[in-house]
Formats: sequence, C-alpha cells, structure tokens
Amino acid sequence: QQQVKQSPQSLIVQKGGISIINCAYENTAFDYFPWYQQFPGKGPALLIAIRPDVSEKKEGRFTISFNKSAKQFSLHIMDSQPGDSATYFCAAGPAGGGSNYKLTFGKGTLLTVNP
Amino acid sequence: NAGVMQNPRHLVRRRGQEARLRCSPMKGHSHVYWYRQLPEEGLKFMVYLQKENIIDESGMPKERFSAEFPKEGPSILRIQQVVRGDSAAYFCASSGQSNQPQHFGDGTRLSIL
Repeated sequence: QQQVKQSPQSLIVQKGGISIINCAYENTAFDYFPWYQQFPGKGPALLIAIRPDVSEKKEGRFTISFNKSAKQFSLHIMDSQPGDSATYFCAAGPAGGGSNYKLTFGKGTLLTVNP
Repeated sequence: NAGVMQNPRHLVRRRGQEARLRCSPMKGHSHVYWYRQLPEEGLKFMVYLQKENIIDESGMPKERFSAEFPKEGPSILRIQQVVRGDSAAYFCASSGQSNQPQHFGDGTRLSIL
C-alpha cells in the first residue's frame, strides 16, 4: 500500500519557470512533511519541511503549500535553475514519539530544468 | 566532513555471501535510521536505532537482515546469504533527537551477482 503518492514522475521546466510537484497522503496520523532533493550518486538532502498547523512555508525559492482537508501538499520552485535539476522526494512522518522517524517517501519526481 | 559517512560506497557480493554496510552518524547524533531504495522507487524505512538499542525494526525483513548500533563504532546493517533481490541502494540517516530532521549519507550501492 503506497501511503504517499507523488506526481508527476518527471518534469521538464525552462530556466526561470516554476516547478510544481504534488503529493497526497492517506494516513491522517502523519503530521510532518519534508521534501528532499537528491542528486545522482548522492543521498537525499532536506530542502524544506512543514507541519499541518500552517498552510504555507517559504524558504528562498522553495515553497511548500499544505492542504490538510484534502491531504495534499506541494513543492513550488520559483525561478527554476539548471542547478535545480535533481530528483525530489516528498515524505511524511507520523505524529507522536518523535514525529519524523519512520518517514514514508513518495516515489520521486525527476526534475530537469533546461537552460 | 561532519556529515553522515557510509562505507563502502559500492559493494559487490555473490549470492549466498554476507554484506556488511557501515554508517557513522553526524557528530553528536545518537539516532540512526536505515532505508532501502530500489531503482525508481522512494526510500523505504527499515530500522531505527539508538546507541545499543533497536527502537523500531518494523521495516526489516524478518530473515537474513540485522542491524546494530554499538556503544562504540558505527552502525552496521548486515545482510546474510544475499539474494539478487537485495540489490539496492541502502541509505543511513542520523538525527540528534528523534523529532529532529534526519540527515542522510550518500548510501551504499549493493550489487548481487
């Protein structure tokens, strides 16, 4: 059972454009939602994370939008750059007892930003 | 480099052999997590350990897989009698506390011949 569904599987954006990646979850016990960026041959690196008490969080060019009622959250990359080309994973962590262990990951989105 | 260190980066084993994957957490971190990543898949949680204790191993296969995090030294993920299906990238992450962000190493790519 896939608890976090991520789309699209791949995305091509022109330099300067907006990249949007969406995730949906099923388990209402999740209360921590991080996004990770992964380059080939490297481990995932935490980009930005949100908890359900806010609907949006922005850090530089990266914004998470969160819709608790729809159980959806998305990553927006503004002014996308070729250096942003990577695989992006959304994840969700359960509440209680240290909410971000045992993360459940989406399948990833391969983002290509053309110059 | 104060990041999470994993070694080896690449490991090749023949079917039936044992694989040992090592993970040194970030300095000051005492919580370690192991994940497995199959091609074109997201990471799947395997096990969560603190020093000398296994906290949650609900993602570990019941047979052939074991993990430890001794008082001294790195965390070890051990796979006995490897099979082709064990081929994957294995990632370790660490955190200072269980409710703090997890920082990942660059993984060990395990290939089974």
